[in-house]
Amino acid sequence: KNQVEQSPQSLIILEGKNCTLQCNYTVSPFSNLRWYKQDTGRGPVSLTIMTFSENTKSNGRYTATLDADTKQSSLHITASQLSDSASYICVVTDNNAGNMLTFGGGTRLMVKP
Amino acid sequence: GAGVSQSPSNKVTEKGKDVELRCDPISGHTALYWYRQRLGQGLEFLIYFQGNSAPDKSGLPSDRFSAERTGESVSTLTIQRTQQEDSAVYLCASSPQRGLGTQYFGPGTRLLVL
Repeated sequence: KNQVEQSPQSLIILEGKNCTLQCNYTVSPFSNLRWYKQDTGRGPVSLTIMTFSENTKSNGRYTATLDADTKQSSLHITASQLSDSASYICVVTDNNAGNMLTFGGGTRLMVKP
Repeated sequence: GAGVSQSPSNKVTEKGKDVELRCDPISGHTALYWYRQRLGQGLEFLIYFQGNSAPDKSGLPSDRFSAERTGESVSTLTIQRTQQEDSAVYLCASSPQRGLGTQYFGPGTRLLVL
């Protein structure tokens, strides 16, 4: 069964600090992995998309890494801001005909001043 | 151009009633997804439309749930005989292509079943 697990479930950090969120998956065959940011009461916004051959992808202060061998991904946030407070969701797409998406439960990040 | 729109933005209904949720995708997007997010939980895939292909309904939780899409335009998600457990935010997303394409999400419909 395809699964995506994220850790930690929740995280509190001080403004200006860095943090790293983890995503482990068992989806096979693998097509791509996305990280989304979802503000409370809003729809998710795509941060990065990575395919099998990509190890690192950045989007501003967000840097995602992918290790397809160990089936792990991380999202690193540099110099956090209060506006980074949100849920971060890891979504993995399989490479079957239906391109099914498997969602992680998300990491709820709170950045405090 | 306009993004993905959904209506209504909020819906309160009584247990046992039917509800219909609407999604207007971005013009030209061939792929359309419906998701559900219960309070405090992650996104849950419901159904996927891609062009004129048969939809992927594998995520629908029960036969009370159904969805339709007219060509590559508007989609409706219908929940029959609603239950309190159906209370959630229902999100719609569209994408210009299947698989790798970035999904653009609507603001969601917040459904509360009393």
